Amino acid sequence: RKEVEQDPGPFNVPEGATVAFNCTYSNSASQSFFWYRQDCRKEPKLLMSVYSSGNEDGRFTAQLNRASQYISLLIRDSKLSDSATYLCVVNLLSGAAGNKLTFGGGTRVLVKP
Amino acid sequence: DARVTQTPRHKVTEMGQEVTMRCQPILGHNTVFWYRQTMMQGLELLAYFRNRAPLDDSGMPKDRFSAEMPDATLATLKIQPSEPRDSAVYFCASALFRDRAYNEQFFGPGTRLTVL
Repeated sequence: RKEVEQDPGPFNVPEGATVAFNCTYSNSASQSFFWYRQDCRKEPKLLMSVYSSGNEDGRFTAQLNRASQYISLLIRDSKLSDSATYLCVVNLLSGAAGNKLTFGGGTRVLVKP
Repeated sequence: DARVTQTPRHKVTEMGQEVTMRCQPILGHNTVFWYRQTMMQGLELLAYFRNRAPLDDSGMPKDRFSAEMPDATLATLKIQPSEPRDSAVYFCASALFRDRAYNEQFFGPGTRLTVL
């Protein structure tokens, strides 16, 4: 089983609709969590950190469920510009190797007019 | 506007040739990561350094890949000899690790490598 797993999609979303997707992680000792966005042929960029209490940034809401070991990202009122691949990242304290950031495979979102 | 820089942005080479990729992390960041991204495998961590010391290079094929940080402003990833299966985008990223946590990880624009 991969350490961090995501549904690759694509999620085809009508403009203005809401889309949500999850990311599961295997190690319960994982400490911090992030969502990154990657546009085609570009580098990943931080979208938002994920806090235990959940957090919101404009149209984006991130949640953490430690009991079930997943994080989620919800996008409201989808815009065409939200089309991208969304990568979840998990920070795990990894013994002698120190803190390790592990990426999921990404979820592709396509927002259509 | 601080950013991670990588050179070259594109590299086309023939099988068996040596390839060197360079990265300049953001000033003040103490952790540097090398990733490889392909359509099939996604984003894979190859190696990372803290304060210029290698912490984990378990993701890197040791026989042909090597990563170094000769100083705080330069990280290098070398492939010798290169093979067609090494064709990918190689990203460098840097972050500040403090109080047992990372701040935001900033990525460079990547080096798109094609090995013929």
